[in-house]
Amino acid sequence: EADIYQTPRYLVIGTGKKITLECSQTMGHDKMYWYQQDPGMELHLIHYSYGVNSTEKGDLSSESTVSRIRTEHFPLTLESARPSHTSQYLCASSERQGRSNIQYFGAGTRLSVL
Amino acid sequence: AQKVTQAQTEISVVEKEDVTLDCVYETRDTTYYLFWYKQPPSGELVFLIRRNSFDEQNEISGRYSWNFQKSTSSFNFTITASQVVDSAVYFCALSEEKTNDYKLSFGAGTTVTVRA
Repeated sequence: EADIYQTPRYLVIGTGKKITLECSQTMGHDKMYWYQQDPGMELHLIHYSYGVNSTEKGDLSSESTVSRIRTEHFPLTLESARPSHTSQYLCASSERQGRSNIQYFGAGTRLSVL
Repeated sequence: AQKVTQAQTEISVVEKEDVTLDCVYETRDTTYYLFWYKQPPSGELVFLIRRNSFDEQNEISGRYSWNFQKSTSSFNFTITASQVVDSAVYFCALSEEKTNDYKLSFGAGTTVTVRA
């Protein structure tokens, strides 16, 4: 069973607000990921990290930013939320070695920007 | 180009029927992995299975079974004697060693509805 936690589960916020979505894992995984998923649609990778102080942009361009100061923590920040940011955001983690590449997911944050 | 194609958008069955979800993938890597994940209405993705490109053995886990065929680039998933709790969106995903450094490429998902 995965030990990866996302908060909040649901967030409704007004346009222009700064928000941070939290993601923490207790498995000691080096690799962490953020995906964006619109309702009923596929997942798109927006950010990933291979370890502390390592962050990269994913396949889908996103106005969000991430940081990785601690192995277990990978928060995602939107400086100024807009309605186009309304979506579900899923965090995942996996072990560093390439062959141990099962990604374990958190429960997700459903964001609505009004 | 879409690396993972799940042609079935939605499938609706009555309880106890079998349901097969199709997944076709595209890669030039010789080393790759295929996955199935389940996303129930609560939203999290639950890992179901991982298969590597060198192992074409079919696998059965309870009511779930998977059929991997490299010749047709397919990795199909069958739920036998479906139950209402199987209602979810199911995603097939591909992880490539060289092309994508093991990151996951997801299909669009198949929504399975099991009616009582």
